[in-house]
Amino acid sequence: EAGVAQSPRYKIIEKRQSVAFWCNPISGHATLYWYQQILGQGPKLLIQFQNNGVVDDSQLPKDRFSAERLKGVDSTLKIQPAKLEDSAVYLCASSLAAYSNQPQHFGDGTRLSIL
Amino acid sequence: DAKTTQPPSMDCAEGRAANLPCNHSTISGNEYVYWYRQIHSQGPQYIIHGLKNNETNEMASLIITEDRKSSTLILPHATLRDTAVYYCIVRSYNTDKLIFGTGTRLQVFP
Repeated sequence: EAGVAQSPRYKIIEKRQSVAFWCNPISGHATLYWYQQILGQGPKLLIQFQNNGVVDDSQLPKDRFSAERLKGVDSTLKIQPAKLEDSAVYLCASSLAAYSNQPQHFGDGTRLSIL
Repeated sequence: DAKTTQPPSMDCAEGRAANLPCNHSTISGNEYVYWYRQIHSQGPQYIIHGLKNNETNEMASLIITEDRKSSTLILPHATLRDTAVYYCIVRSYNTDKLIFGTGTRLQVFP
């Protein structure tokens, strides 16, 4: 089965610019997650969707980050405006269903560098 | 969510078993133990998970102590491709979150 697809693989922007990342989860997976991984740390959850509804966005910096999952399949994560501290790898994961003990499967992420 | 404690790094000779320990002394009854690994420049890869019984799959075995306060991930015959950061995570059924620590960096040498 195809895994979680993410694009772009790398992105370099200047601070205060905007950027968007795209994620296509594993087919049939209802739950989608976005994580941020800063160098040397483990991933940290930003937002969780169940189909096209938000389950948990408590760790999302909503003044600059936004995410959507229209039609309950693909998802985009946007940062506007970017700050230097947003330099990180942004990982998307999906699972069959939330609260079901199904494992989350991750994509390879988008590495964002802010100049 | 229960926190986990892992050694920061370990070495293992190629072909030998790699035994990665994890302490989770505050785990509660409805929390599962998950193991992921992350190879350089890739996303975390799911390995195995369990509640109280030992588990085995094609990648690894998971041994959970009877009191559930610790566990060990066993890679039976480590290869150079198993060099990665291994994360032990206690996942609450109620919150559905994976809370990653800093993991154990396993280096497999020839």
